[in-house]
This record gives sequence, C-alpha cells and structure tokens, in this order.
Amino acid sequence: AQKVTQAQTEISVVEKEDVTLDCVYETRDTTYYLFWYKQPPSGELVFLIRRNSFDEQNEISGRYSWNFQKSTSSFNFTITASQVVDSAVYFCALSDYTGANSKLTFGKGITLSVRP
Amino acid sequence: DADVTQTPRNRITKTGKRIMLECSQTKGHDRMYWYRQDPGLGLRLIYYSFDVKDINKGEISDGYSVSRQAQAKFSLSLESAIPNQTALYFCATSGEGSDKNIQYFGAGTRLSVL
Repeated sequence: AQKVTQAQTEISVVEKEDVTLDCVYETRDTTYYLFWYKQPPSGELVFLIRRNSFDEQNEISGRYSWNFQKSTSSFNFTITASQVVDSAVYFCALSDYTGANSKLTFGKGITLSVRP
Repeated sequence: DADVTQTPRNRITKTGKRIMLECSQTKGHDRMYWYRQDPGLGLRLIYYSFDVKDINKGEISDGYSVSRQAQAKFSLSLESAIPNQTALYFCATSGEGSDKNIQYFGAGTRLSVL
C-alpha cells in the first residue's frame, strides 16, 4: 500500500524567510511518480511539479526547489524568500509509474502562512 | 473557460435528500476521479473511471455512486445525504503522454448537509 506523510501540519513564517515543507512516502513500487500541489485560500488545487522515481536530480523553478532523496524516501519542497502569496495548503502525493493505476495518494497537507 | 468544470460550486441540502454533483472536462482525458477533502484529512478518493465503461470504487465509496455519461462527463451522486458528507468535493482528470499521471482539478464543490 502507498502512503504519504506530511508530518508538519502548520508552518508560519515571516515574509522573505526560506521555508521547507517535508514529505516522506512509502511504496513497494520500484518506479513511481511524486507530486506537489498547492491549494490557495480560494480553494482550487494547482499542480506544481511531477517527479519520476528514476530522476533524482533536484529541480528549481524560480523561488521553488524540490529535493528528492530516494534513500530516505523523501521529496521535500523549499520556498526561498517566501511571499504572502505563498500562503496556502501544500499537498504531496504519490502514484505508480506504469499508468495502470494512476490514482494519487495524498498526504494530509501542510498549511503555510506567510506573514508580512 | 476552465478545463475541468464542476457544478454547482456551493450546495446546501438537507439530510435524506438526493444530490448530484457534476463534472465536465475539455481536456480530452479518459481518466476521471472524484475526491472529497475534509480538514486535516487531505484528499480521499471516492470513485475513479479510466474510461466510459470502467468505473472503480476508491477508498471511501460507501454512500456515493457515480455515472460516466460520456468521456467528458462524470457525475457523483449522494443517494441519501447525511451530515458527515459535508465536505469539499473535487473532480479531477488525467491523461497520457507528457502529462502522464498528472491530475488536473476542478474548482471544487462545497457541500453542506444539514
């Protein structure tokens, strides 16, 4: 069975601070996908990134970066120089790779509050 | 226009009423999903469909049913609504190719059962 754990439930930072959101996963699959989604206060779910399990290179997109470590089953998300607009709930998710079963298993989410 | 459209966006109903939440998509995806979100519990899968003739139960299907009327339409029904079905409901779609396994979500339907 697949499982995603986001141990942090709420994080509060002051604008311009860096913040890291942790994600730990469990799966018996040898190949899989990992995802991050953002849910701003307006409620919609916004896709941020998909990472496949055989590509352990870290990824950077503007102020966002993701650190994938297969050895520790972690896929952490760092926001550099946080802004008020980053305030949202962030979900980490896992799916198999083959596509035969593309269901997503979500973590419970981390509520990030960025104060001005 | 949104690629994944959910209607209604908000609904208040009474215990025992039948209610249908609708989802339509213009992404041309075969796979569609219904989730519910409860505070502190993340998203949980109710039903999913990989094509019009393939419908599967998710982890919390009791009390719900679905209908896949066409590739683009996937409806969720609560046959007899109860208060603990009060939640935020999301529809999602996914396809193949470069977007493989990425799920795209509608804006959500906020349902309150009184």
